[in-house]
Amino acid sequence: DVVMIQSPLFLPVTLGQPASISCRSSQRLVYSDGNTYLTWFQQRPGQSPRRLIYKVSNRDSGVPGRFSGSGSGTYFTLKISRVEAEDVGVYYCMQGAYWPLTFGGGTKVEIK
Amino acid sequence: EVQLVQSGAEVKKPGESLKISCWGAGYRFADYWVAWARQMPGEGLEWMGIINPADSETKYSPSFEGQVIISADINIIYLQWSSLRASDSAIYYCARLASAVGGYDFDYWGQGTLVTVSS
Repeated sequence: DVVMIQSPLFLPVTLGQPASISCRSSQRLVYSDGNTYLTWFQQRPGQSPRRLIYKVSNRDSGVPGRFSGSGSGTYFTLKISRVEAEDVGVYYCMQGAYWPLTFGGGTKVEIK
Repeated sequence: EVQLVQSGAEVKKPGESLKISCWGAGYRFADYWVAWARQMPGEGLEWMGIINPADSETKYSPSFEGQVIISADINIIYLQWSSLRASDSAIYYCARLASAVGGYDFDYWGQGTLVTVSS
């Protein structure tokens, strides 16, 4: 199975400050169609996961512009340019290039 | 508006059977594969399997093969257990595969079904 390692596990941030989460995969996530299937999800407390970013860097409709995804190969990053109170929750990366699909362990974002 | 709607919370005893459901609204259900994911208390997410509602073709993650059955009927998919264990206590989510071609990418999620198994 493809192993997805996220860091940090916990990320205390100050409102208005930037935040960055990294995700490493044990294999390159390039599918046969040439696309890289790395997705970022946000799970707010008590809610279902919500897709933020797909195929590394494509932001979903309705996702604030302060969220951005980047990376290639086996190293990926989710950045929040200026953290807001509503960004509190757990963030997961997920690889969609190989079955079985696998998630990273999650990064819990909290406000200092 | 696209939505995935799941059946309500369940409380069961060990050894009992259970079938939970997920149905789609706001889109043609048969056109999109749907997967099930598990989230144990305080833990992360794990994919269990995926089904094509159009023809019931199913794929299971190795960890869940033989442990659960994923099935589909008109406009609804199911996740079922024949004999529950306490370790099956979790929130179960269904999620829609964004496209039938290419890799796996999930765009919409259900609200989750809490399953509690306790004697």
